[in-house]
Amino acid sequence: AQKITQTQPGMFVQEKEAVTLDCTYDTSDPSYGLFWYKQPSSGEMIFLIYQGSYDQQNATEGRYSLNFQKARKSANLVISASQLGDSAMYFCAMREVGNKLVFGAGTILRVKS
Amino acid sequence: ETGVTQTPRHLVMGMTNKKSLKCEQHLGHNAMYWYKQSAKKPLELMFVYSLEERVENNSVPSRFSPECPNSSHLFLHLHTLQPEDSALYLCASSQALPFYNEQFFGPGTRLTVL
Repeated sequence: AQKITQTQPGMFVQEKEAVTLDCTYDTSDPSYGLFWYKQPSSGEMIFLIYQGSYDQQNATEGRYSLNFQKARKSANLVISASQLGDSAMYFCAMREVGNKLVFGAGTILRVKS
Repeated sequence: ETGVTQTPRHLVMGMTNKKSLKCEQHLGHNAMYWYKQSAKKPLELMFVYSLEERVENNSVPSRFSPECPNSSHLFLHLHTLQPEDSALYLCASSQALPFYNEQFFGPGTRLTVL
């Protein structure tokens, strides 16, 4: 069974609007961490935001926020005020106890001007 | 140099060649990782080194051989590869503990096997 599911292969958003990228996860471990990475066409993976399973509040980093719904096992990424430079592939990932990071299939985001 | 660097950035090799990919991290981390990213597939973790010991080997074929001589350097030795091994190979590093530390990635090596 897939541990990380990203159901949106591709998304379009108008510049300056907000967009939500979906991520659901599957784990029986009570202690885990959720990450979002951005991969532009250059190939480098850029860390965006982290949410711990015990964190009471949703994580925020600038224009990025994570809508964490633990009971639903979802960790959606919200990008506010989209910019053209946000066009990239976005990966959701989960880290359980140990050093293993498991990635979803990714969502391609295209920002339109 | 800062962050995580990888060389070469692009590599074309024949199936009988032997080559090596190099990764270097300048972040003081003590865990390093190799990932494979194929077209239309999720990132696949290949190897994990923590405190210079290999702690994870995800059923990777023996034609891929990792080496971690110290906490700052990681190599992936390639030998007798197949065309299906063509992919982007990403190196990452992190602090081994606590486990929620984010991984920092290098720019990757785009490998083409002819």
